[in-house]
Amino acid sequence: EVQLLESGGGLVQPGGSLRLSCAASGFTFTNYAMSWVRQALGRGLEWVSAISGTGVSTYYPDSLKGRFTISRDNSKNTLYLQMNSLTAEDTAIYYCAKFSDGYYYGALADWGQGALVTVSS
Amino acid sequence: QSVLTQPPSASGTPGQRVTISCSGSSSNIGSNTVNWYQQLPGTAPKLLIYSNNQRPSGVPDRFSGSKSGTSASLAISGLQSEDEADYYCATWADSLNGPVFGGGTKLTVL
Repeated sequence: EVQLLESGGGLVQPGGSLRLSCAASGFTFTNYAMSWVRQALGRGLEWVSAISGTGVSTYYPDSLKGRFTISRDNSKNTLYLQMNSLTAEDTAIYYCAKFSDGYYYGALADWGQGALVTVSS
Repeated sequence: QSVLTQPPSASGTPGQRVTISCSGSSSNIGSNTVNWYQQLPGTAPKLLIYSNNQRPSGVPDRFSGSKSGTSASLAISGLQSEDEADYYCATWADSLNGPVFGGGTKLTVL
């Protein structure tokens, strides 16, 4: 059974940094591209970043490029999201998700339970 | 403002058939497959339909998807109270080189 468990969420001041982790199990982690998707309270889903199975290729929407960094440690089956220069607009639940077919395209087949990030003074 | 347009709400009575639409453009839905996600209250999204009309294992056949041109639809037949949830369409955006989501449709079972 695929399991994705996010951690590292919490309260951070504007301008601060936070690193989220996602521990994966139940599948061969290195064979799958992974993604982060966020959801502000009462709002829709927004793609945040993605990374290939090897970790060589990373992807971001232009709006987040430069502030967020996705990475992975395949020896630890763990996905990361480093978030810098945070603002109130970054307040959201951050979900870790696995692409269905391994490569970077298509459906997100499995999702974690989410980590709440609150940016506030 | 989401790249994909969905009605904000939909409703139906138990046993009824409801459809939820998703409108995009030639650079997203028009050139890529569509996926649908169901988000029950207080939970993470769950993949409901992938590749326009395929159901993952465990998803009842009451749920079906279709795509035509730059639009897609999710149909739910034999509506049940446990179907009350938010539904999101998603596809690939060529300009973004990443996934894009609709704004979501809140389905209410009356």
